[in-house]
Amino acid sequence: ETGVTQTPRHLVMGMTNKKSLKCEQHLGHNAMYWYKQSAKKPLELMFVYNFKEQTENNSVPSRFSPECPNSSHLFLHLHTLQPEDSALYLCASSQGQLSGANVLTFGAGSRLTVL
Amino acid sequence: GQNIDQPTEMTATEGAIVQINCTYQTSGFNGLFWYQQHAGEAPTFLSYNVLDGLEEKGRFSSFLSRSKGYSYLLLKELQMKDSASYLCAVTDSNYQLIWGAGTKLIIKP
Repeated sequence: ETGVTQTPRHLVMGMTNKKSLKCEQHLGHNAMYWYKQSAKKPLELMFVYNFKEQTENNSVPSRFSPECPNSSHLFLHLHTLQPEDSALYLCASSQGQLSGANVLTFGAGSRLTVL
Repeated sequence: GQNIDQPTEMTATEGAIVQINCTYQTSGFNGLFWYQQHAGEAPTFLSYNVLDGLEEKGRFSSFLSRSKGYSYLLLKELQMKDSASYLCAVTDSNYQLIWGAGTKLIIKP
C-alpha cells in the first residue's frame, strides 16, 4: 500500500468503551499528525510527532492518548469519550515539521460516533 | 487571534469558472495552502503560494496578495468531479498551520 492508511474507517462506541484508531504511512515521512474535523469547523490539530517524539499537544483532553511506536505508525487511544467527541479523525504525515512549505498527506479518516 | 475566512458554500455550473476567496489574519506568514477534500475522502494538496502573484496548474490557479492578507483559488472549465470542499490554510511565523473551515463547492449540470 502507498500513502496514508487509517483504520477503522468507521467506529461507533459507547462512552465507557476503550478503542484505538490506527494510522500507517508508507511515504518515509518523519512527522505524523492527528487532526479532528467537525462539520463546518476548521481542522483542529490534536497531536504532532516528529521523529517519534511528541512535539505538540494542543490542550487535548486526557481521554485521547496518542502513541507513536515508530515513524511509520501512529495510534490514537480512546477511552470514556463524550458525545461531542463524535467527528472525523484525520491522520496526516509530512517530510518534516518546521517548514513553510510543509505539504501534508492525509489519510481518509476514521469517522467516530460516540453514543 | 488568528483567523481564516472563506465562504461556507458556493454553487457553480459545469463548464464555467469559479473563484473561491480566502482572507487571513495570522501572526506572521510562511505560506498559504489550498487542499481539496471530496466527501468521505482525504484532503489532497492542490497548491502552495508564498510569494505574491498567480500560480497556475492546469485548470486550477491560486493567487496570493500578502499585503491584503488575501488569496483565491480559481477553477476553470468546471467538471462535476470538482464538487468538493476546498480548504485554505496558512503557515504562521511559528510554522503552525491555521485552517479555514472550508468552502463546499457544488457543481450543477
